[in-house]
Amino acid sequence: DAGVIQSPRHEVTEMGQEVTLRCKPISGHDYLFWYRQTMMRGLELLIYFNNNVPIDDSGMPEDRFSAKMPNASFSTLKIQPSEPRDSAVYFCASSSTLRGRTDTQYFGPGTRLTVL
Amino acid sequence: GQQLNQSPQSMFIQEGEDVSMNCTSSSIFNTWLWYKQDPGEGPVLLIALYKAGELTSNGRLTAQFGITRKDSFLNISASIPSDVGIYFCAGQLMGTYKYIFGTGTRLKVLA
Repeated sequence: DAGVIQSPRHEVTEMGQEVTLRCKPISGHDYLFWYRQTMMRGLELLIYFNNNVPIDDSGMPEDRFSAKMPNASFSTLKIQPSEPRDSAVYFCASSSTLRGRTDTQYFGPGTRLTVL
Repeated sequence: GQQLNQSPQSMFIQEGEDVSMNCTSSSIFNTWLWYKQDPGEGPVLLIALYKAGELTSNGRLTAQFGITRKDSFLNISASIPSDVGIYFCAGQLMGTYKYIFGTGTRLKVLA
């Protein structure tokens, strides 16, 4: 299995530009999670999906952030407009449901976003 | 965002020494996971714990799920240079599918 795939691995953009991060979960996994990692705040859950439906987006910082999962093999996290404080590493993770609980989460390699 | 209290924040140890780190919270968790993160990579799962009191080993790693469901520890025996990295605990909140992550323990092993 290829594992969780994220693209791009690095993104440098200017303030005000739109940024789209992409994720392909592990095949067969029904949960998908988006996290943000910074030195100050550590790993924070932004949003997660179950069977392509957003379940909890309480971690999304503000309306500039949006996430979609149009099908079981693809998800996007969009920031529009981007700001310097959005600079962070964004991780996607996926897991499957076993015996009524989510099994362990598997992380992608992350996208390092720098907003100038 | 919500985080678990993880300690120590960092440690320098000599190769061959044993290492211990732990996570505590005021919340109760269904599941505890321990991850290791290398620079420029995503966290990689080391051990998963599903029941209170559970003690699980993975090679030189041993982790336990606290009886109160509010804490967990990870031990690494006979550390080697490739153990260097940042270790995170993660707890799954009761009644949800959300995981809360610890603040991380940065481990450096001196050869």
